[in-house]
Amino acid sequence: GAGVSQSPRYKVAKRGQDVALRCDPISGHVSLFWYQQALGQGPEFLTYFQNEAQLDKSGLPSDRFFAERPEGSVSTLKIQRTQQEDSAVYLCASSPFPKGANTEAFFGQGTRLTVV
Amino acid sequence: AQKITQTQPGMFVQEKEAVTLDCTYDTSDPSYGLFWYKQPSSGEMIFLIYQGSYDQQNATEGRYSLNFQKARKSANLVISASQLGDSAMYFCATRGAGNNRKLIWGLGTSLAVNP
Repeated sequence: GAGVSQSPRYKVAKRGQDVALRCDPISGHVSLFWYQQALGQGPEFLTYFQNEAQLDKSGLPSDRFFAERPEGSVSTLKIQRTQQEDSAVYLCASSPFPKGANTEAFFGQGTRLTVV
Repeated sequence: AQKITQTQPGMFVQEKEAVTLDCTYDTSDPSYGLFWYKQPSSGEMIFLIYQGSYDQQNATEGRYSLNFQKARKSANLVISASQLGDSAMYFCATRGAGNNRKLIWGLGTSLAVNP
């Protein structure tokens, strides 16, 4: 498809398990973002890539969270030793920025992570 | 630091009527953008409308318009002729200038359109 694709859509992890969340951005989009959305809240910024460079990781809540985008397209968000407070929807977004005019970010449908 | 405040946790509107969703913002950036997104139960964030801080006119996109009052730091979303499919969460967000393109979000407003 032409939109941002995230997989899996749903993930149930046992506490302490490692998980990997995948994001396929829109082809050609330079910028890629990860957000965390807890139940009943607005999204919170996690990290930002321009191509393969991770320019901002200030929102990652702990060193258990790690994101990569090695070839400047697909990105993976990895959470090690998951804890219950990690339960949330993880949203990925991509944008043509800095190419083109000021535009919005396009979001995927998210991965709902439940840690039990 | 930037902050978005949405004070309406839930709103109801009759089908075909107009509704206004409130958003106030706080930013120290001289140049900024304001966004509205819709999030249906499927989870995807759908872009609705954008207003730049230096835009002279209020933004409009079809049934969506943004009532931008810079002095009051408000950016309310107006949905005209509501449809049943408009029932969803609505989020206001802001983004500063420069290379940091992250969005700062409000808590959202849940809109229910009644038939």
